[in-house]
Amino acid sequence: NAGVTQTPKFRVLKTGQSMTLLCAQDMNHEYMYWYRQDPGMGLRLIHYSVGEGTTAKGEVPDGYNVSRLKKQNFLLGLESAAPSQTSVYFCASSYSRDYTNGYTFGSGTRLTVV
Amino acid sequence: KNQVEQSPQSLIILEGKNCTLQCNYTVSPFSNLRWYKQDTGRGPVSLTIMTFSENTKSNGRYTATLDADTKQSSLHITASQLSDSASYICVPVYGGATNKLIFGTGTLLAVQP
Repeated sequence: NAGVTQTPKFRVLKTGQSMTLLCAQDMNHEYMYWYRQDPGMGLRLIHYSVGEGTTAKGEVPDGYNVSRLKKQNFLLGLESAAPSQTSVYFCASSYSRDYTNGYTFGSGTRLTVV
Repeated sequence: KNQVEQSPQSLIILEGKNCTLQCNYTVSPFSNLRWYKQDTGRGPVSLTIMTFSENTKSNGRYTATLDADTKQSSLHITASQLSDSASYICVPVYGGATNKLIFGTGTLLAVQP
């Protein structure tokens, strides 16, 4: 049981380049989330999905797009990377938003934009 | 404004000792509060989840307490081990329609032999 898998683990981009981060979960969870973690700040929600084919904006959505074409996958795209998007990105999933369901996080993608 | 403050920011203890981490929050309406452990270079892992009606919850050597009236929570670690070295994150959950998690910045714990 792999849980939540993120690829790639590390990436260096030049300003203006684009890339896609992939998140895959094998727990049949309905909800999936993308967070970013920056030094001195708590995790912040970028986008989330409440089911296949649905997406919604989180706290810091600007500069990012997402897609959930399959229930098990949640993609995060950067169309034109900026240095301010240098961060560690975490994907998470949960069965529902009920309080009894904890989130399962992936191991993160460390992205540097130069 | 929904906020979380954790103290101390960092802590060094000797292996075998106990420690208590503090969390103050201003989240309203409040739904539940979670504690996560995050090892360096890894994603957060859930330790406990408590609703407003629960005062304490344990997970092995980890015991969390919650006082919803004073909006305070603590995480007590008993008989610390080297593997307890990590960041511990307090996460109150906003109980509105979005059920939003409000992540603290964490307490960085180092357990030394």
